[in-house]
Amino acid sequence: ETGVTQTPRHLVMGMTNKKSLKCEQHLGHNAMYWYKQSAKKPLELMFVYSLEERVENNSVPSRFSPECPNSSHLFLHLHTLQPEDSALYLCASSQDVNGYEQYFGPGTRLTVT
Amino acid sequence: AQSVTQLDSQVPVFEEAPVELRCNYSSSVSVYLFWYVQYPNQGLQLLLKYLSGSTLVESINGFEAEFNKSQTSFHLRKPSVHISDTAEYFCAVSDRGDTGRRALTFGSGTRLQVQP
Repeated sequence: ETGVTQTPRHLVMGMTNKKSLKCEQHLGHNAMYWYKQSAKKPLELMFVYSLEERVENNSVPSRFSPECPNSSHLFLHLHTLQPEDSALYLCASSQDVNGYEQYFGPGTRLTVT
Repeated sequence: AQSVTQLDSQVPVFEEAPVELRCNYSSSVSVYLFWYVQYPNQGLQLLLKYLSGSTLVESINGFEAEFNKSQTSFHLRKPSVHISDTAEYFCAVSDRGDTGRRALTFGSGTRLQVQP
């Protein structure tokens, strides 16, 4: 595996379900990110992790819970989501948090029914 | 706070014609500039970047962008497009936010539709 991988690629869940999105980077980077991409809206930065420490949380509802057990893995735990949470969730990584280019995974297409 | 404006949400163009996708940003203090491309059902891929040095930067597939500090712009151009260039293109700007740490801000994207 190379680059940034995400699983699953597609997920359909009900509003009462609990699920998790997984991201893994094989680039030796120290920073990882979760973004939400909705139709006709700019990318929304959700969370930033630097060396497994959360350094940014952009007013994301508590029904989204991130976890970074090590610098290569990032999870997004989901529970009691709403239909408006349906979107493409993108994971990215970068060398560090100081704004050099980010490398993105293919995303997880989430549909909340 | 930084803002990034991509004025054109969609740009239709015929194959082999030239194209320019526009990008303007609000703050020019110590910025890094990027263009990303997103093909259908895929994540974003870095197309080209400006960090310092020459204001004209090029990608391996014929795109180029020029950093214009006075106009706070970083427009993307290609002299002759192919069908395979059909995708969504995102401009992104990195600068130091209120925390002193660099943050990446994305534009809303421009859909390039190349027609035969």
